[in-house]
Amino acid sequence: AQKITQTQPGMFVQEKEAVTLDCTYDTSDPSYGLFWYKQPSSGEMIFLIYQGSYDQQNATEGRYSLNFQKARKSANLVISASQLGDSAMYFCAMREQAGTALIFGKGTTLSVSS
Amino acid sequence: GAGVSQTPSNKVTEKGKYVELRCDPISGHTALYWYRQSLGQGPEFLIYFQGTGAADDSGLPNDRFFAVRPEGSVSTLKIQRTERGDSAVYLCASSPSQDNEQFFGPGTRLTVL
Repeated sequence: AQKITQTQPGMFVQEKEAVTLDCTYDTSDPSYGLFWYKQPSSGEMIFLIYQGSYDQQNATEGRYSLNFQKARKSANLVISASQLGDSAMYFCAMREQAGTALIFGKGTTLSVSS
Repeated sequence: GAGVSQTPSNKVTEKGKYVELRCDPISGHTALYWYRQSLGQGPEFLIYFQGTGAADDSGLPNDRFFAVRPEGSVSTLKIQRTERGDSAVYLCASSPSQDNEQFFGPGTRLTVL
Protein backbone atom coordinates (compact mmCIF):
# COMPACT_ATOMS: atom_id res chain seq x y z
CA ALA A 1 0.00 0.00 0.00
CA GLN A 2 1.20 3.48 -0.77
CA LYS A 3 2.26 5.47 2.24
CA ILE A 4 1.53 8.85 0.66
CA THR A 5 -1.21 9.35 -1.90
CA GLN A 6 -1.68 12.46 -3.97
CA THR A 7 -4.67 11.87 -6.21
CA GLN A 8 -4.50 15.06 -8.27
CA PRO A 9 -1.94 14.81 -11.07
CA GLY A 10 -2.66 18.40 -12.09
CA MET A 11 -4.49 21.40 -10.71
CA PHE A 12 -5.32 24.69 -12.37
CA VAL A 13 -6.08 27.94 -10.58
CA GLN A 14 -6.29 31.62 -11.41
CA GLU A 15 -4.15 34.25 -9.77
CA LYS A 16 -5.40 35.46 -6.38
CA GLU A 17 -7.59 32.43 -5.88
CA ALA A 18 -7.04 29.81 -3.18
CA VAL A 19 -6.25 26.20 -4.06
CA THR A 20 -6.17 22.97 -2.06
CA LEU A 21 -3.77 20.17 -2.90
CA ASP A 22 -4.81 16.81 -1.48
CA CYS A 23 -2.65 14.37 0.43
CA THR A 24 -3.59 11.24 2.34
CA TYR A 25 -1.15 9.08 4.24
CA ASP A 26 -0.95 5.65 5.78
CA THR A 27 1.03 4.80 8.89
CA SER A 28 0.58 2.82 12.08
CA ASP A 29 3.19 4.86 13.96
CA PRO A 30 1.68 7.15 16.61
CA SER A 31 4.34 9.78 16.03
CA TYR A 32 5.08 11.07 12.56
CA GLY A 33 5.67 14.27 10.65
CA LEU A 34 4.11 15.54 7.47
CA PHE A 35 5.85 17.87 5.04
CA TRP A 36 5.06 19.73 1.87
CA TYR A 37 7.73 20.61 -0.67
CA LYS A 38 7.58 22.70 -3.84
CA GLN A 39 9.64 21.71 -6.87
CA PRO A 40 9.81 24.36 -9.60
CA SER A 41 11.03 23.53 -13.08
CA SER A 42 14.58 24.30 -11.90
CA GLY A 43 14.41 21.02 -9.99
CA GLU A 44 15.30 21.83 -6.42
CA MET A 45 12.95 20.88 -3.60
CA ILE A 46 11.83 23.82 -1.48
CA PHE A 47 10.46 23.14 2.00
CA LEU A 48 7.09 24.81 2.58
CA ILE A 49 5.44 23.61 5.77
CA TYR A 50 5.56 20.94 8.48
CA GLN A 51 2.88 19.33 10.67
CA GLY A 52 3.67 17.03 13.57
CA SER A 53 1.19 14.29 14.41
CA TYR A 54 0.77 15.59 17.95
CA ASP A 55 0.40 19.23 16.96
CA GLN A 56 -2.95 20.52 18.15
CA GLN A 57 -3.23 23.30 15.63
CA ASN A 58 -2.92 23.28 11.88
CA ALA A 59 0.43 24.58 10.67
CA THR A 60 0.57 27.88 8.81
CA GLU A 61 3.45 29.59 7.00
CA GLY A 62 2.52 32.80 5.24
CA ARG A 63 0.18 31.93 2.36
CA TYR A 64 0.53 28.20 3.08
CA SER A 65 -1.58 26.32 5.56
CA LEU A 66 -1.97 22.64 6.22
CA ASN A 67 -5.46 21.24 6.76
CA PHE A 68 -4.58 18.35 9.06
CA GLN A 69 -7.37 15.84 9.69
CA LYS A 70 -5.77 13.10 11.74
CA ALA A 71 -8.75 10.73 11.88
CA ARG A 72 -9.04 10.83 8.11
CA LYS A 73 -5.25 10.66 7.69
CA SER A 74 -5.24 13.65 5.41
CA ALA A 75 -2.85 16.60 5.26
CA ASN A 76 -4.02 18.90 2.51
CA LEU A 77 -2.03 21.96 1.54
CA VAL A 78 -3.96 25.19 1.10
CA ILE A 79 -2.35 28.01 -0.85
CA SER A 80 -4.17 31.32 -0.48
CA ALA A 81 -3.99 34.15 -3.00
CA SER A 82 -2.18 32.14 -5.67
CA GLN A 83 0.63 33.82 -7.59
CA LEU A 84 2.12 33.00 -10.98
CA GLY A 85 5.30 31.95 -9.20
CA ASP A 86 3.39 29.21 -7.40
CA SER A 87 3.30 27.20 -10.63
CA ALA A 88 5.35 24.10 -9.81
CA MET A 89 5.16 20.48 -8.71
CA TYR A 90 4.10 19.99 -5.08
CA PHE A 91 5.04 16.95 -3.04
CA CYS A 92 3.57 15.71 0.19
CA ALA A 93 5.95 13.67 2.34
CA MET A 94 5.94 11.81 5.64
CA ARG A 95 8.60 10.83 8.13
CA GLU A 96 7.57 8.02 10.44
CA GLN A 97 8.52 7.67 14.10
CA ALA A 98 11.26 5.14 13.62
CA GLY A 99 12.39 6.38 10.27
CA THR A 100 14.75 9.03 9.09
CA ALA A 101 13.92 9.25 5.42
CA LEU A 102 11.08 11.18 3.91
CA ILE A 103 8.50 9.15 2.03
CA PHE A 104 7.14 11.17 -0.88
CA GLY A 105 3.95 11.05 -2.87
CA LYS A 106 3.92 11.26 -6.66
CA GLY A 107 3.23 14.96 -6.63
CA THR A 108 0.67 17.38 -8.01
CA THR A 109 1.45 19.87 -10.77
CA LEU A 110 -0.05 23.26 -10.02
CA SER A 111 -0.56 25.73 -12.84
CA VAL A 112 -1.47 29.32 -11.98
CA SER A 113 -2.82 31.51 -14.77
CA SER A 114 -3.34 35.26 -14.98
CA GLY B 1 24.32 31.40 3.58
CA ALA B 2 25.16 28.79 1.00
CA GLY B 3 22.68 26.02 0.43
CA VAL B 4 23.29 22.42 -0.50
CA SER B 5 25.33 22.12 -3.67
CA GLN B 6 25.69 19.15 -5.99
CA THR B 7 28.12 18.48 -8.77
CA PRO B 8 27.96 17.84 -11.60
CA SER B 9 24.55 19.24 -12.48
CA ASN B 10 24.36 16.88 -15.44
CA LYS B 11 26.20 13.65 -16.14
CA VAL B 12 25.92 11.58 -19.28
CA THR B 13 27.63 8.21 -19.27
CA GLU B 14 27.59 4.93 -21.10
CA LYS B 15 26.16 1.70 -19.82
CA GLY B 16 28.70 -0.16 -17.74
CA LYS B 17 30.71 2.88 -16.68
CA TYR B 18 31.42 4.09 -13.16
CA VAL B 19 30.14 7.47 -11.93
CA GLU B 20 30.57 9.61 -8.84
CA LEU B 21 28.11 12.25 -7.73
CA ARG B 22 29.13 14.82 -5.14
CA CYS B 23 27.12 16.60 -2.48
CA ASP B 24 28.22 19.56 -0.34
CA PRO B 25 25.76 19.98 2.53
CA ILE B 26 24.98 23.14 4.43
CA SER B 27 27.84 23.86 6.81
CA GLY B 28 27.23 22.37 10.23
CA HIS B 29 24.48 20.01 9.14
CA THR B 30 25.22 16.59 10.56
CA ALA B 31 22.50 14.67 8.72
CA LEU B 32 22.84 14.03 4.98
CA TYR B 33 20.46 12.16 2.72
CA TRP B 34 20.54 10.88 -0.84
CA TYR B 35 17.35 10.42 -2.86
CA ARG B 36 16.66 9.36 -6.43
CA GLN B 37 13.87 10.90 -8.47
CA SER B 38 12.69 9.24 -11.65
CA LEU B 39 10.63 11.12 -14.21
CA GLY B 40 7.12 11.81 -12.99
CA GLN B 41 7.76 10.39 -9.52
CA GLY B 42 8.52 11.70 -6.09
CA PRO B 43 12.02 11.29 -4.66
CA GLU B 44 12.89 7.87 -3.27
CA PHE B 45 15.24 7.45 -0.33
CA LEU B 46 18.63 5.86 -0.92
CA ILE B 47 20.87 6.40 2.11
CA TYR B 48 21.20 8.54 5.24
CA PHE B 49 24.38 9.65 7.02
CA GLN B 50 24.63 10.92 10.55
CA GLY B 51 28.13 12.35 10.72
CA THR B 52 30.55 10.05 8.95
CA GLY B 53 28.59 6.85 9.25
CA ALA B 54 25.79 5.51 7.10
CA ALA B 55 22.99 5.22 9.62
CA ASP B 56 20.47 3.83 7.15
CA ASP B 57 21.31 2.43 3.71
CA SER B 58 18.12 0.45 3.26
CA GLY B 59 17.14 2.39 0.16
CA LEU B 60 20.16 1.49 -1.93
CA PRO B 61 18.75 -0.67 -4.77
CA ASN B 62 21.69 -3.06 -5.05
CA ASP B 63 25.40 -3.42 -4.38
CA ARG B 64 26.34 -1.34 -7.40
CA PHE B 65 25.43 1.71 -5.33
CA PHE B 66 27.68 2.96 -2.55
CA ALA B 67 28.09 6.26 -0.73
CA VAL B 68 30.70 7.73 1.58
CA ARG B 69 31.07 10.75 3.81
CA PRO B 70 34.58 10.37 5.19
CA GLU B 71 34.87 13.65 7.10
CA GLY B 72 31.25 14.16 8.00
CA SER B 73 30.71 16.90 5.45
CA VAL B 74 30.96 16.25 1.70
CA SER B 75 29.41 13.02 0.48
CA THR B 76 29.97 11.06 -2.71
CA LEU B 77 27.45 8.66 -4.22
CA LYS B 78 29.19 6.04 -6.33
CA ILE B 79 27.50 3.89 -8.95
CA GLN B 80 29.36 0.99 -10.54
CA ARG B 81 28.52 -0.68 -13.84
CA THR B 82 25.77 1.81 -14.59
CA GLU B 83 22.59 0.61 -16.25
CA ARG B 84 20.04 2.52 -18.28
CA GLY B 85 17.58 2.15 -15.42
CA ASP B 86 19.89 4.22 -13.23
CA SER B 87 18.98 7.30 -15.25
CA ALA B 88 17.30 9.74 -12.87
CA VAL B 89 17.87 12.91 -10.90
CA TYR B 90 19.90 12.24 -7.78
CA LEU B 91 19.03 14.62 -4.97
CA CYS B 92 21.03 15.33 -1.86
CA ALA B 93 19.57 16.89 1.28
CA SER B 94 20.97 17.93 4.63
CA SER B 95 19.52 18.91 7.99
CA PRO B 96 20.85 20.01 11.38
CA SER B 97 19.61 16.74 12.83
CA GLN B 98 17.35 13.91 11.74
CA ASP B 99 14.35 15.59 13.35
CA ASN B 100 14.51 18.80 11.30
CA GLU B 101 13.25 19.56 7.84
CA GLN B 102 15.60 18.59 5.06
CA PHE B 103 17.14 21.16 2.73
CA PHE B 104 17.65 19.88 -0.78
CA GLY B 105 20.27 20.61 -3.39
CA PRO B 106 19.52 21.18 -7.08
CA GLY B 107 20.24 17.58 -7.97
CA THR B 108 22.42 15.79 -10.50
CA ARG B 109 20.67 14.58 -13.63
CA LEU B 110 22.26 11.26 -14.59
CA THR B 111 21.68 9.86 -18.06
CA VAL B 112 22.97 6.40 -18.90
CA LEU B 113 23.06 5.73 -22.63
